[in-house]
Amino acid sequence: DIQMTQSPSSLSASVGDRVTITCRASQTISNYLNWYQQKPGKAPKLLIYAASILHSGVPSRFNGSGSGTDFTLTISRLQTEDFAIYYCQQTYSTLYTFGQGTRLDIK
Amino acid sequence: QVQLVQSGAEVKKPGASVKVSCETSGYIFTTYGVSWVRQAPGQGLQWMGWISAYNGHTNYAQMFQGRVTMTTDTSTNMAYLELRSLRADDTAVYYCARHYGGNSGASLDYWGQGTLVTVSS
Repeated sequence: DIQMTQSPSSLSASVGDRVTITCRASQTISNYLNWYQQKPGKAPKLLIYAASILHSGVPSRFNGSGSGTDFTLTISRLQTEDFAIYYCQQTYSTLYTFGQGTRLDIK
Repeated sequence: QVQLVQSGAEVKKPGASVKVSCETSGYIFTTYGVSWVRQAPGQGLQWMGWISAYNGHTNYAQMFQGRVTMTTDTSTNMAYLELRSLRADDTAVYYCARHYGGNSGASLDYWGQGTLVTVSS
């Protein structure tokens, strides 16, 4: 199985800050990497697919990059509604796996 | 707009089976697949498998092989997840999600609201 490791596991930031979350795959996954946002008690929402393509309706302050094994999700100018848990997911192998999640809290 | 609406919460005894439904609307059902993902209380996301609504082909995560069946009904645009031989550690919220793409390079672009399945004696 391809292991996905996110860092940090948790992060505190303020409204207006720029934050970066990293996701590392245990083997190369090309650009088959998605990012999701989940708020408490809600279903996840797709933010970015194919490592860098913004899903419909997602604000442009979200940015994804990377290929191979190392990927990043950057949120510029944090808004109140961005405080949530973020998950990466690889769909390179036929067994899809998620990272363990990064909790983004208000400082 | 794309919507996936799941059936209500279930309480089951160990060894029983559960069948969760996912009603889809707002898109051409047979153009996409449906993935199923579960989340144990306080834990992360675990992908269970997906089914093509076009031809019914399935790809199950190995850990669920033999215990899970995913089906679709193209006449009603519904998807179903059946999980058998339930154990306490199957207690989780189960999500259906629209599966965009094939086996590789897919994304789960719209999600149902989740169905809590509790397994308890």
